[in-house]
Amino acid sequence: AQKVTQAQTEISVVEKEDVTLDCVYETRDTTYYLFWYKQPPSGELVFLIRRNSFDEQNEISGRYSWNFQKSTSSFNFTITASQVVDSAVYFCALSFFFSGAGSYQLTFGKGTKLSVIP
Amino acid sequence: GAVVSQHPSRVICKSGTSVKIECRSLDFQATTMFWYRQFPKQSLMLMATSNEGSKATYEQGVEKDKFLINHASLTLSTLTVTSAHPEDSSFYICSAGRQAGANVLTFGAGSRLTVL
Repeated sequence: AQKVTQAQTEISVVEKEDVTLDCVYETRDTTYYLFWYKQPPSGELVFLIRRNSFDEQNEISGRYSWNFQKSTSSFNFTITASQVVDSAVYFCALSFFFSGAGSYQLTFGKGTKLSVIP
Repeated sequence: GAVVSQHPSRVICKSGTSVKIECRSLDFQATTMFWYRQFPKQSLMLMATSNEGSKATYEQGVEKDKFLINHASLTLSTLTVTSAHPEDSSFYICSAGRQAGANVLTFGAGSRLTVL
């Protein structure tokens, strides 16, 4: 079974603070993909990153960084020097190939609502 | 980049009426499209997988006759909520992949349905 757990329901930080959003996944597949999406109040899902199961290199993109550790089945997301515009719900997702539909499917975590206070 | 357009963004309807939501891939052909439903403050739940030219694959617990999905072309999938009731009020989001088996999806902006 595929499962994504985001234990943090809501987080509040003061602007300029660093914040880490946790994501733990479960899968029996050896090949899979992990994603992070941002959902601002407008509702649209914004793609942030994709990482495949064979690439454990950490990635940094501006103020965003991701730490993928297969040993702990975690794919954590850190925002450095947070800004008010970072306020949104962030979803971690796991992609796996579902033979029943003949396509990849995404399983989402429940999301973490981040509020950055000015 | 890949763009998915979803229309309407907001719709309010009376109980008992049917509502159609369109999902279009604007600059690529989408063999597969997905429909999700999101309740307030909750995660996205996959409703169905739509493959062009074939019947949609519905997730367990999703009523096929209630949520009709049509994927008539490589750029358009529609979700029709039939005989809508207040409990169908929700945020519906579609996504599309560029090719069969694609694991990078582009999401539409979502459609907020309110049934009075």
